[in-house]
Amino acid sequence: DGGITQSPKYLFRKEGQNVTLSCEQNLNHDAMYWYRQDPGQGLRLIYYSQIVNDFQKGDIAEGYSVSREKKESFPLTVTSAQKNPTAFYLCASSIRANTEAFFGQGTRLTVV
Amino acid sequence: GQNIDQPTEMTATEGAIVQINCTYQTSGFNGLFWYQQHAGEAPTFLSYNVLDGLEEKGRFSSFLSRSKGYSYLLLKELQMKDSASYLCAVKVRQAGTALIFGKGTTLSVSS
Repeated sequence: DGGITQSPKYLFRKEGQNVTLSCEQNLNHDAMYWYRQDPGQGLRLIYYSQIVNDFQKGDIAEGYSVSREKKESFPLTVTSAQKNPTAFYLCASSIRANTEAFFGQGTRLTVV
Repeated sequence: GQNIDQPTEMTATEGAIVQINCTYQTSGFNGLFWYQQHAGEAPTFLSYNVLDGLEEKGRFSSFLSRSKGYSYLLLKELQMKDSASYLCAVKVRQAGTALIFGKGTTLSVSS
């Protein structure tokens, strides 16, 4: 079955540690996205990539980094520079044309 | 910048009709999407409007007026399972294919 897989579903890290969230899709979609969701805040765009080896910052990119070395994969690293990393992180993908985005099941990151 | 406004919460009863409004102020508007999200789960796509008018899909309809920067999602014959957050999102040319989301409207359906 085609879809987007985020792993793990729950992740705990100590403050000051970098952590990488995985996102893989087998939908053959060109574009991929990372969003962060906090209670009462809706989804906020962190980074997006419209094609392999290219990505752009979203509204809240500070403290995060990404790579897009393969079409299927768009990992997000939450660095120690991110002031409030505890949140629900959602990855999504879409065909490059003007169509809907499909979301993974999310990773809930807790930094203690 | 982009600004998208939705009511924070709404309540309704089973079998009723509810309209969730969304207003936006954006430059480079390139389409509006509605998503449904149950607590702790991924958002799922409901509808897409890029031209003015009404799009109907079963119990769900979505309307867009580009000149007014306004959209609504209409849910008919409400069911308990419709209790969820409803997210309005716009595409703007400056962000390519990325969606910019409002804060969402939490709908509670009671019997």
